[in-house]
Amino acid sequence: NAGVTQTPKFQVLKTGQSMTLQCAQDMNHEYMSWYRQDPGMGLRLIHYSVGAGITDQGEVPNGYNVSRSTTEDFPLRLLSAAPSQTSVYFCASSYSVGYNEQFFGPGTRLTVL
Amino acid sequence: ELKVEQNPLFLSMQEGKNYTIYCNYSTTSDRLYWYRQDPGKSLESLFVLLSNGAVKQEGRLMASLDTKARLSTLHITAAVHDLSATYFCAVQATGNQFYFGTGTSLTVIP
Repeated sequence: NAGVTQTPKFQVLKTGQSMTLQCAQDMNHEYMSWYRQDPGMGLRLIHYSVGAGITDQGEVPNGYNVSRSTTEDFPLRLLSAAPSQTSVYFCASSYSVGYNEQFFGPGTRLTVL
Repeated sequence: ELKVEQNPLFLSMQEGKNYTIYCNYSTTSDRLYWYRQDPGKSLESLFVLLSNGAVKQEGRLMASLDTKARLSTLHITAAVHDLSATYFCAVQATGNQFYFGTGTSLTVIP
């Protein structure tokens, strides 16, 4: 199993550009989530999904969209990048929500100029 | 909104010493997780605590949960250099959202 994979590993955007961060897992996990990690602030939940076709907002959803058309994939879209979205983004998955630890992808380091 | 506070934020300790990291949270929850993050790396699951009084141990690390006090502890016994990392606690609120603490950066000095 590859576990949780994320692409790209690094990305530089200009303000106003859009892009999609890819996340995939091959463990047949129902729960998937996106976090951003900023210095001194831990990880903050952006969006999450409890299964294909079901998504919901987390703590900091503004400026981001998600969709979950398959169990395996959970892409994160930045609609119009802003410097405040400069961060490290982690995708995570777990077998189900509630009683299982999350497995994290390697992260995407995003810089918005 | 659930608040999760960890202390200390930074911890420098000598090899062989014991210490405890504290994780306090602001609302009722009986589901708490501990993760480790090495510099520039992703997060790795350490412990899953799912009930009041739960205690889990792995090597030199032991985690416990007191849901009534809204407190979890991560105890380090006889620290070694390999334990140097940032440790995060995460609390699952009602529903499907997880809230992370700001992390404790641990440095073990030979």
